[in-house]
Amino acid sequence: NAGVMQNPRHLVRRRGQEARLRCSPMKGHSHVYWYRQLPEEGLKFMVYLQKENIIDESGMPKERFSAEFPKEGPSILRIQQVVRGDSAAYFCASSPRSGTLGTEAFFGQGTRLTVV
Amino acid sequence: AQKVTQAQTEISVVEKEDVTLDCVYETRDTTYYLFWYKQPPSGELVFLIRRNSFDEQNEISGRYSWNFQKSTSSFNFTITASQVVDSAVYFCALRFTGNQFYFGTGTSLTVIP
Repeated sequence: NAGVMQNPRHLVRRRGQEARLRCSPMKGHSHVYWYRQLPEEGLKFMVYLQKENIIDESGMPKERFSAEFPKEGPSILRIQQVVRGDSAAYFCASSPRSGTLGTEAFFGQGTRLTVV
Repeated sequence: AQKVTQAQTEISVVEKEDVTLDCVYETRDTTYYLFWYKQPPSGELVFLIRRNSFDEQNEISGRYSWNFQKSTSSFNFTITASQVVDSAVYFCALRFTGNQFYFGTGTSLTVIP
């Protein structure tokens, strides 16, 4: 049973380009979270999705960032017109269901985005 | 406001020493869960433990133990007889809704052989 798979592991983009980060949740999991980890900081919540539905995007920047979790395929975090400040590690986590506080989330290995 | 504080940014211990990682949290909710995750140098986050707000019983799992004290809003993590493989960043997290985890800034533990 594979864990949460994120790709690519490392991504380099020039300022102004688009970055697409992919996350395949664990088998049987229908809920996905995206977190951002800036250097020397903890993980900051970005967005929480269920298949074909955004549940909570309160942590997403208002511009340039978007996320989706289609019925088929991985969840995608898209960053348009990247800037140097977007350089960070982006983690995806999945859980089997929502609304259950005690359910732990299983994290992927992260995608390290570097904007040059 | 919900907040998790891990005041220890970095800790270094010599192998076989015991070490305690502190976690203090703030929430107005009466129902919540606390978690610890480990982030080894490879980068992934590994789930270690969860504790709900109504269960203050301490837990031991091998060399790991956790002390939850609601009166002081703390959920501390102790590693007994530390090993080099314990070197990692450890995150404490709070969850009070189904939507998100609130993470502390992490404690980087280095175990020196």
